[in-house]
This record gives sequence, structure tokens and C-alpha cells, in this order.
Amino acid sequence: KNEVEQSPQNLTAQEGEFITINCSYSVGISALHWLQQHPGGGIVSLFMLSSGKKKHGRLIATINIQEKHSSLHITASHPRDSAVYICAALFQMYSGGGADGLTFGKGTHLIIQP
Amino acid sequence: GAVVSQHPSRVICKSGTSVKIECRSLDFQATTMFWYRQFPKQSLMLMATSNEGSKATYEQGVEKDKFLINHASLTLSTLTVTSAHPEDSSFYICSARGGLLGIHGYTFGSGTRLTVV
Repeated sequence: KNEVEQSPQNLTAQEGEFITINCSYSVGISALHWLQQHPGGGIVSLFMLSSGKKKHGRLIATINIQEKHSSLHITASHPRDSAVYICAALFQMYSGGGADGLTFGKGTHLIIQP
Repeated sequence: GAVVSQHPSRVICKSGTSVKIECRSLDFQATTMFWYRQFPKQSLMLMATSNEGSKATYEQGVEKDKFLINHASLTLSTLTVTSAHPEDSSFYICSARGGLLGIHGYTFGSGTRLTVV
């Protein structure tokens, strides 16, 4: 069965700290998404990865295909980064995921304290 | 970039009434849109897949007569919650696949918080 595991579930850090959120998945993927959900509920797509590394501002996403693992990093974290970060995988072989092809992790609730 | 507009962002309705939620792809044609429901502190749960010009495909356990989906054009899908009950109160989100991100890319709407009183 296609599975996506995220860690940690909850993370509280001080402003300025370097943040890492991890995502591991069970089998081969076509793409992996990192999403950000703010307290109001809206979801923003941060990255779509199939290999390597992407950077946007203070956010960096990496993926290791061999190890079936992806990380989301936040440099110089700020209270406005407080949100839920969700990893979602598009598996190559559909098995147990939704008809949209995505299997979602349970999310990491990040709080950055000033 | 690819933008999906979802409206309304919040709605309060009385039990027994119907509520329509719209999801529009603003700068690309979305032949497929997806509707999700999210309970507090839970992840997104796919409700149905909306295909332009054809009937929606519902996930197991989702009542198609209660959650009516219409995808009449390449840029608009609507979800109507019929005869709403308090247990339908939830956060509903749409997404569209495609656009500049290609076939593997998904763009999400900002969500609609429905409260049924």
C-alpha cells in the first residue's frame, strides 16, 4: 500500500532557527508535493519535486529517490512561517491512494515563537 | 502561475438549506478538479473527482445525492451541499490538476469553511 509518513507531527521553535520537516514514502513516485496550510485553512503549493533540490526564498525542498525521502527546510524561521506543512506523494503505481493520485501525509504543525 | 479561486471562503447556513461552493481555474483550463473535505486536525480527504463534461466520480462513502458536483466548463467546478445538516460542517477545498505545473502539478483553492446551524 502506498504510504506517506511525516515527522515530526508538531514542532515549536524560536524565531531564526533552521527548521527541517521530513517525509518518507513507501514506493516509487512520479512527484512529491510540499503544501502549506495556514490557520485560516487555505492551502498553498510550495514545491513539486521529482528529483534533486528546489529553493524558493527561505524555503528549500530536497528529495532522495533512492532513500524514498524528502525534506523541507526553512532558514531564518519567522512567526509568519507558523502553519501546517503537508507532504503529498503521487505514486507511480496507484494502490490505496485517492483517485487524484495523491497520498497525503498527516502534516507537521509548526509554530515559530518570536 | 496557475491560480485556483474558491468562493465563498466562509458560509453559515441553516439546517435543511443548500450551499454552493465554486472553484475556478483563473489562468488555465482544468479538465479535472478534485474536491476534498478536511476535519479539524485531520488531513485532506478526497470526496470526488470532477471531470469537465461528464459525471463526477465519488469516493467510497461519499453520498453523491448530498454532494452534487457540476463541472460545466473547463474553468469552473461547483460543489453543492444539499439539505445541509450540522454534521456537514467542515472545511471544503478544491484542487485542479495541470496548468503550468503540468500533469503532475496540483493547484489548490483557498478553501470554504461551512458551518451549518
